[in-house]
Amino acid sequence: QKEVEQDPGPLSVPEGAIVSLNCTYSNSAFQYFMWYRQYSRKGPELLMYTYSSGNKEDGRFTAQVDKSSKYISLFIRDSQPSDSATYLCAMGGGSNYKLTFGKGTLLTVNP
Amino acid sequence: DADVTQTPRNRITKTGKRIMLECSQTKGHDRMYWYRQDPGLGLRLIYYSFDVKDINKGEISDGYSVSRQAQAKFSLSLESAIPNQTALYFCATSESGTGFYNEQFFGPGTRLTVL
Repeated sequence: QKEVEQDPGPLSVPEGAIVSLNCTYSNSAFQYFMWYRQYSRKGPELLMYTYSSGNKEDGRFTAQVDKSSKYISLFIRDSQPSDSATYLCAMGGGSNYKLTFGKGTLLTVNP
Repeated sequence: DADVTQTPRNRITKTGKRIMLECSQTKGHDRMYWYRQDPGLGLRLIYYSFDVKDINKGEISDGYSVSRQAQAKFSLSLESAIPNQTALYFCATSESGTGFYNEQFFGPGTRLTVL
């Protein structure tokens, strides 16, 4: 079993839809959880991070972590065509400060 | 100007050639990383360096080598390129210290094609 599993999609939704992106993980040592957004032909950029179970909200984006189930989610409300990108979950923990990435989910928001 | 730059941005080469990809950063970060990204496989860590004298292998280091010439420069070499090294390569940086949280900042990527 891979340490981080993420459905690669692709996911296509109409503008205004609520989008749910998910990752599961197996390593209990992971202590912090991130979502990166990667536009086509660009490097990934950090979108959100959290290190506790529960929800964290930032504008239209909500990151949710359930450590007991080893499951994290990213919700996008009122999705826009500019949200079209690949979303990668990433996790880290312990003393080595490395990140383990999911494979990424390609999202397309259609006008 | 971009904080993390990579050169070249695109490269086409032939099997057996030696290739060097370069990364420079102006963020003042101690830690630098090289990843490759392949469709369906995501980002995989090749090498990482926590300071100039510290080099560590990642999960897929075979066929690659690195050089940390200075705090701001980290180069990735393919000694004898092969077609399955065709991929998108990213350099990333992060801060050191006792911080619990490790945001990595990525360069724009180098698209490498090995024929």
